Amino acid sequence: DFVLTQTPLSLTVALGQPASISCKSSQSLVNTDGHTYLSWLHQRPGQPPRLLIYKSSYRFSGVPDRFSGSGTGTDFTLQISRVEADDVGIYYCTQSTKFPLTFGGGTKVEIK
Amino acid sequence: QITLKESGPTLVKPTQTLTLTCTVSGLSLNTDGVGMAWIRQPPGKTLEWLAVIYWDDDRRYNSSLRNRLTITKDASKDQVVLTMTNVDPVDTGTYYCVQRQEGSPGAFVQWGQGTLVTVSS
Repeated sequence: DFVLTQTPLSLTVALGQPASISCKSSQSLVNTDGHTYLSWLHQRPGQPPRLLIYKSSYRFSGVPDRFSGSGTGTDFTLQISRVEADDVGIYYCTQSTKFPLTFGGGTKVEIK
Repeated sequence: QITLKESGPTLVKPTQTLTLTCTVSGLSLNTDGVGMAWIRQPPGKTLEWLAVIYWDDDRRYNSSLRNRLTITKDASKDQVVLTMTNVDPVDTGTYYCVQRQEGSPGAFVQWGQGTLVTVSS
């Protein structure tokens, strides 16, 4: 199975400051079709997750442009350029390059 | 607007069979590229993918659940059903019905609100 390791486990950020979350895969996430199926999800307290980023770097519909994703192969990063109060919660990376589909352990973001 | 709504028992006894239903609106389950997945989340823990069924009836399962799972769909009823046999307290958690769109974006694009299932005697 593809193991996804997220760091840090938690992050406390002041409003308006940047934040960065890392996701490392145990194997390359480049699919045989050439695409990299690494996504980022955001889960607010008491809510289901929602899609932020797909294929490593593409923002999903309606996602603010302060969110960006980058990375190839095994190393990926989610960046928030200026954290807002609404950004609190847990962020997960997930891969769908190969079954079984797997998730990272999550990174909890709090506001300072 | 696409909505997904999970339904099923909130409490199940160990060794029993759990049956969850996802009712979909705003989406045809036979549309090319559409996959419907079940993902669960134990309290305070990360997410775990369980199974997915595609528009063409292809099905994939998480092998770690050791053949306890069956996923089916009835497009005429706009429903997807997950069956899990021989449940255990470790199966306690929130179960989400999730739309997956293959190709673009190739990701989990829409989530239901989830249903909390507790396994206890």
